[in-house]
Amino acid sequence: QKEVEQNSGPLSVPEGAIASLNCTYSDRGSQSFFWYRQYSGKSPELIMFIYSNGDKEDGRFTAQLNKASQYVSLLIRDSQPSDSATYLCAVNPLSGGGADGLTFGKGTHLIIQP
Amino acid sequence: GAVVSQHPSRVICKSGTSVKIECRSLDFQATTMFWYRQFPKQSLMLMATSNEGSKATYEQGVEKDKFLINHASLTLSTLTVTSAHPEDSSFYICSAHTRDPTDTQYFGPGTRLTVL
Repeated sequence: QKEVEQNSGPLSVPEGAIASLNCTYSDRGSQSFFWYRQYSGKSPELIMFIYSNGDKEDGRFTAQLNKASQYVSLLIRDSQPSDSATYLCAVNPLSGGGADGLTFGKGTHLIIQP
Repeated sequence: GAVVSQHPSRVICKSGTSVKIECRSLDFQATTMFWYRQFPKQSLMLMATSNEGSKATYEQGVEKDKFLINHASLTLSTLTVTSAHPEDSSFYICSAHTRDPTDTQYFGPGTRLTVL
């Protein structure tokens, strides 16, 4: 059974600091990885995706992937109160990205303290 | 680009009735759409994969006769919850697959279903 594990939090980070969110997955054959942000009562919004080992940066966000350790992380630099949300890690077994149903973790609730 | 809409956004119905939820990709064609369900404080759980012009593929434990999926065109998939019961109350979210601008899924805004 495919599993994606995240610490549910809440993770509390001061405004302006770096927020670090972690995710592990059980299916070693997984090929593509996604981070979504979900505000309460809303649907998920894509933040980043990563396919290859290493780091991928997009603005204040950096995704990190280590397939050997089956570990994905998301760093948010210069955290803002508007970043307060639940962050969902999602895994797709196919290298084609979004062409298969995603397996989601339960999400980490992030709180940015002003 | 890559906008997905859902209708209705919220529905309240009596137990035993059927409810239809529409999912549309507004500015792209999606041969594959997905239906997820999210209970309070839980993660999204994939219910089924909807392929245009063919039968949907359901995840284990999801009753295909209860959750009817129709993907009649490249921009529209519908989910019908038949004979809904209070335990079906949940947040139903669809997504559509596209490779432009990125190869991923984009989610609709969700439908909050409450069965009394």
